[in-house]
Amino acid sequence: ELKVEQNPLFLSMQEGKNYTIYCNYSTTSDRLYWYRQDPGKSLESLFVLLSNGAVKQEGRLMASLDTKARLSTLHITAAVHDLSATYFCAVEETSGSRLTFGEGTQLTVNP
Amino acid sequence: DADVTQTPRNRITKTGKRIMLECSQTKGHDRMYWYRQDPGLGLRLIYYSFDVKDINKGEISDGYSVSRQAQAKFSLSLESAIPNQTALYFCATSDLGWGETQYFGPGTRLLVL
Repeated sequence: ELKVEQNPLFLSMQEGKNYTIYCNYSTTSDRLYWYRQDPGKSLESLFVLLSNGAVKQEGRLMASLDTKARLSTLHITAAVHDLSATYFCAVEETSGSRLTFGEGTQLTVNP
Repeated sequence: DADVTQTPRNRITKTGKRIMLECSQTKGHDRMYWYRQDPGLGLRLIYYSFDVKDINKGEISDGYSVSRQAQAKFSLSLESAIPNQTALYFCATSDLGWGETQYFGPGTRLLVL
């Protein structure tokens, strides 16, 4: 059974600081997705990572994938308040398009 | 208009009642999914469908059933609702192919009393 773990689960940071969210998973996969959820809202796709060493960047967010370590990271650079949200990673099983989600990381960026 | 819509958006029901949650999409995707979200547990897959004739159980299908009426419509039913089915329910769709992200509906907030 595929297990996906994120850490930290809660993250409070100051504007302007950098931080990294980690996503570990338990079985072989080379397809990993990051989503953002604002309070009371739906999930929005951020990044799709499809190979070992893949790196994607959008604004202050950068995601990477290390399939050998079964680890993805979401790096936040110079955080701003607008980045406050819950971030989920999800791993796709190699047998199909089912996603297994991590628990989510609730990020709060304080002025 | 939104690409993935869900009705109702909020629902309060009583234990033992049968309810149906509906999902429609205009994205033309073949694959559709139902998830539930509970605080601290992320999203868990209830059922998924890769086309109209294909229905598959997810990790938490007990107490739920689904119907894929058309490519664009995927309904989730709770045959006899119980309080621990109180949750936020999301429908999602994705295109065929490798590495296709999923697109989520706005969610249905369900309270079972």
